[in-house]
Amino acid sequence: EAGVVQSPRYKIIEKKQPVAFWCNPISGHNTLYWYLQNLGQGPELLIRYENEEAVDDSQLPKDRFSAERLKGVDSTLKIQPAELGDSAVYLCASSLERGLAGLVEQFFGPGTRLTVL
Amino acid sequence: AQSVTQPDIHITVSEGASLELRCNYSYGATPYLFWYVQSPGQGLQLLLKYFSGDTLVQGIKGFEAEFKRSQSSFNLRKPSVHWSDAAEYFCAFCDQTGANNLFFGTGTRLTVIP
Repeated sequence: EAGVVQSPRYKIIEKKQPVAFWCNPISGHNTLYWYLQNLGQGPELLIRYENEEAVDDSQLPKDRFSAERLKGVDSTLKIQPAELGDSAVYLCASSLERGLAGLVEQFFGPGTRLTVL
Repeated sequence: AQSVTQPDIHITVSEGASLELRCNYSYGATPYLFWYVQSPGQGLQLLLKYFSGDTLVQGIKGFEAEFKRSQSSFNLRKPSVHWSDAAEYFCAFCDQTGANNLFFGTGTRLTVIP
């Protein structure tokens, strides 16, 4: 069974440019998560989807970040415009159903490492 | 505030030696606690989790963790470390509000020397 797929794996852009990350969750997983992992830190949740609905986006900086999951399967996270401080790893995870996050394991993708110059 | 703390940023152990990674939590009730491992270029992988019941939890790859309410700790242990265990280890907890999100510690980097 394929795991969570993310692309690109690495991205280098100049500040003020837009950037987008793509995530394809494990087949059948209706819950999808985007996390931000700064260097030397643990992941922090940005947004969680239940199917196509964003049920928790309280930590998403909405002035420059946006996300979508139009058909309830794959998802795109966008930053426009990117700032130097956005350099980090962006992780995607999926799980079978929301419930308690611990009762259903979250499976993580390898992440996209973004460098903003 | 609810949180988990990992006091050790970096630990170095010899291959074959025992390992203990520390995790302290701050939570009003009994938290749901987890340990994840992140190898270079890899996604996070769940090692083990604690919800209730037996305070000694067995996980994958020979890891175990013990929940100690009196010490607010959930330390990860392994009796004999292998070179392949070198990675970043994260302790996390799940809140029990409606959001039920995962909150991670800052991680401990494990180096294994031959």
